Amino acid sequence: QPVLTQPPSSSASPGESARLTCTLPSDFNVAGYNIYWYQQKPGRPPRYLLYFYSDSDNDRASGVPSRFSGSTDASANTGILVISGLQSEDEADYYCMIWPNNAGVFGGGTKLTVL
Amino acid sequence: QITLKESGPTLVKPTQTLTLTCTISGFSLNARGVGVSWVRQPPGKALEWLALIYWDDDKRYNPSLRSRLTITKDTSKNQVLLRMTSMDPVDTATYYCTRKMIRGFRLDPWGQGTLVTVSS
Repeated sequence: QPVLTQPPSSSASPGESARLTCTLPSDFNVAGYNIYWYQQKPGRPPRYLLYFYSDSDNDRASGVPSRFSGSTDASANTGILVISGLQSEDEADYYCMIWPNNAGVFGGGTKLTVL
Repeated sequence: QITLKESGPTLVKPTQTLTLTCTISGFSLNARGVGVSWVRQPPGKALEWLALIYWDDDKRYNPSLRSRLTITKDTSKNQVLLRMTSMDPVDTATYYCTRKMIRGFRLDPWGQGTLVTVSS
């Protein structure tokens, strides 16, 4: 199973944008996977946010603001979650996930602090 | 409204077998494309995917835990069970069940989770 690498922490100020990354190992091409993103606040279960495969194949969960968007960087083999117009309520842990061979793999998570 | 609720022992001894139950409502375990997955999270650590069972009884497991896990469903009771053998203190975690949506592998919604402590 691949190891998905996420920076342990990230921070940004209210109103700014946060760019959270999820890097796949070289033998797992990001172009071949839906990248799923989950948000988890302390003491709460994870919440599905969105997935991104391509500009024409992506999805945001009902109730998730359009401030949350996904993309990929093929040159870095990385999935990206962008949160624009940061709000204090966006402070949480964020996890990426892929499903190689129909078996799930989570990244290690990024703790986002809104300064 | 779609809900999932985990239940089971809160404390198990090392070497024992853990059996957790996920009781669902608001959707059918028979619906084509639907599945239920188990995910765990040790205190202060990351999420770890464990297993998935599909509407047609196909099953998938985390390869690193495959030998210890069994996932089953009882459609008549709207329940999905997870059995984990040879429990160890490192298996102490909150265990979540979650619905795999019909299309793709979106996991939504999630149960509230149940904390299982492994200790003698």
